Amino acid sequence: GAVVSQHPSWVICKSGTSVKIECRSLDFQATTMFWYRQFPKQSLMLMATSNEGSKATYEQGVEKDKFLINHASLTLSTLTVTSAHPEDSSFYICSARDPGQIEQYFGPGTRLTVT
Amino acid sequence: AQKITQTQPGMFVQEKEAVTLDCTYDTSDQSYGLFWYKQPSSGEMIFLIYQGSYDEQNATEGRYSLNFQKARKSANLVISASQLGDSAMYFCAMSTYSGGYQKVTFGIGTKLQVIP
Repeated sequence: GAVVSQHPSWVICKSGTSVKIECRSLDFQATTMFWYRQFPKQSLMLMATSNEGSKATYEQGVEKDKFLINHASLTLSTLTVTSAHPEDSSFYICSARDPGQIEQYFGPGTRLTVT
Repeated sequence: AQKITQTQPGMFVQEKEAVTLDCTYDTSDQSYGLFWYKQPSSGEMIFLIYQGSYDEQNATEGRYSLNFQKARKSANLVISASQLGDSAMYFCAMSTYSGGYQKVTFGIGTKLQVIP
């Protein structure tokens, strides 16, 4: 199957700082990528849909000014958590869909801890 | 609105036995897709199997099969000959299209533990 990478795999940052998470499709071009958030022992919650060359589509309740998404190319989307707070600590997972396939391929996730 | 319901928070199965993980869904869309993903403790989401709403036959992928009952809106995952490596969280998900964009809704998951 297709491969999606995420970087970093884990990050610890201080409250008030910003953190950027990268999501890359390694062997296919993804016009659409998705960003999810997962709290411990809970399901994945879709945060936003990242569209190459246009603005991201955010789900209701997700602050677009806090979670900045940039889909600069067909293989890269970034999520920047701005002015991070401890409540932003979570597991963030991206996924991408190969236009020729049905399923979404997920990255390995990024565990963010804000102290 | 789309909704996925997984009513089994946890399941145990003996190694080499079969196990069924339940999933029901709700949507007003006529065209949709149903997925099952496996999430080991490492956190990665692993695609297992897919069923399209217009597919007449149940999907199968190796030891995984999807028992699709459209009238009941259920899409249960059957794992045959369970292995210790099958211990993980399992998520049922539904894909729909809205405004030209795909959206996937996940259930809360079922934790499967395979007993030696």
